[in-house]
Amino acid sequence: QVQLRESGPGLVKPSQTLSVTCTVSGGSINSIGYYWTWIRQHPGKGLEYMGNIYYSGNTYYSESLKSRLTISVDTSLNQFSLKLSSVTAADTAVYFCARDAFGVNGYPIDSWGQGTLVIVSS
Amino acid sequence: DIVMTQSPDSLAVSLGERASINCRSSQTILYSSDKKNYLAWYQQKPGHPPKLLIYLASTRESGVPDRFSGSGSETDFTLTISSLQAEDVAVYYCQQYYTTPRTFGQGTKVEIK
Repeated sequence: QVQLRESGPGLVKPSQTLSVTCTVSGGSINSIGYYWTWIRQHPGKGLEYMGNIYYSGNTYYSESLKSRLTISVDTSLNQFSLKLSSVTAADTAVYFCARDAFGVNGYPIDSWGQGTLVIVSS
Repeated sequence: DIVMTQSPDSLAVSLGERASINCRSSQTILYSSDKKNYLAWYQQKPGHPPKLLIYLASTRESGVPDRFSGSGSETDFTLTISSLQAEDVAVYYCQQYYTTPRTFGQGTKVEIK
């Protein structure tokens, strides 16, 4: 059973860059067909799909974030990461990493990290 | 992007009674080549990540109680809890994975009446 765990700073100052890393265990980030995904949830709100990355490095970024978002993968460490630049209070959220099975055997996003709360404040 | 709209936003149901949540997509999520609907349902409890309940619109994930069922096709879908239990109090989200970006409904909060 694959497990994901986010690690992040907890608190970031406005205008700085938010960085969160997801460590994958119990499975390889090189698995064919699976996309590694970032989703965030503003306090008390719904789920926002931010983007994904394939082990090869191919990425997708949501239109609303693509100018500020970078997702990268380190296959040697079985990790993937997000960087969100020029943050404001509106970026305060719980950031989840997840595995998107992308329809493999019909599956959707099937594994999630516990999430890490990042607060943007001076 | 495909817009997912859930109704109602919240509902209160007595223990043992049926709860139904509707989800509508702004375009079909029925893939013509395999005739499958790429629609999932998740349950989220406070302080926890979403948990997959249903995929392909009606396939129950392993370990999910059989009181949870999904139905629908193309643009209209329903999640039904046949007999609400106390542990089912949560927010429920539908999500399409027909295309990227994956998009979620706004969520439906289920409470005990």
